[in-house]
Amino acid sequence: DAMVIQNPRYQVTQFGKPVTLSCSQTLNHNVMYWYQQKSSQAPKLLFHYYDKDFNNEADTPDNFQSRRPNTSFCFLDIRSPGLGDAAMYLCATSFWTRWETQYFGPGTRLLVL
Amino acid sequence: AQKVTQAQTEISVVEKEDVTLDCVYETRDTTYYLFWYKQPPSGELVFLIRRNSFDEQNEISGRYSWNFQKSTSSFNFTITASQVVDSAVYFCALSEGRGDSSYKLIFGSGTRLLVRP
Repeated sequence: DAMVIQNPRYQVTQFGKPVTLSCSQTLNHNVMYWYQQKSSQAPKLLFHYYDKDFNNEADTPDNFQSRRPNTSFCFLDIRSPGLGDAAMYLCATSFWTRWETQYFGPGTRLLVL
Repeated sequence: AQKVTQAQTEISVVEKEDVTLDCVYETRDTTYYLFWYKQPPSGELVFLIRRNSFDEQNEISGRYSWNFQKSTSSFNFTITASQVVDSAVYFCALSEGRGDSSYKLIFGSGTRLLVRP
């Protein structure tokens, strides 16, 4: 089945220690998104890639970076995680011509100690 | 500015009851899209429905139905004969139909639905 895969499902890191979350997709979608969802809150878009073009949301902290080495994979790098970065991180994909329908992965829950 | 309000933080019902989740939105755009997503305890967001601003027809899909009313800026979601598996957080979302931010989903704060056996 075509899908959006996120690994790992749970990630524990230490305060200030860089961490990378990964997302892969078999849907061949040209747009990939990263959302942050803190406990009991709505998902918030951090950035998205349209093919190789990176689009950052204005209020996304510099601590968050992303890489998309190819169509299938996208990474979220947190350079120096703080306690406030503990959250669920959701990856989503869509076609640009059908951007309005985004398919979400299961998420990675990040814990910062 | 765009905004989505889900006033019900949590709803608890007994299995087989009908339940309606409310969603009120604000936008200045004449072209926009409305969505409902389900987030079960496992965490993934499951797409349920998309409705564009020009289509006010109500929709029914099995036990699910949606009532879109532009006059009141509402897009409510009803589950008929609820089941325990319906327990989840439900998010209503909005996006512009065109423009530089048309890809962006603006989510409401979510409604947690608990269906008790």
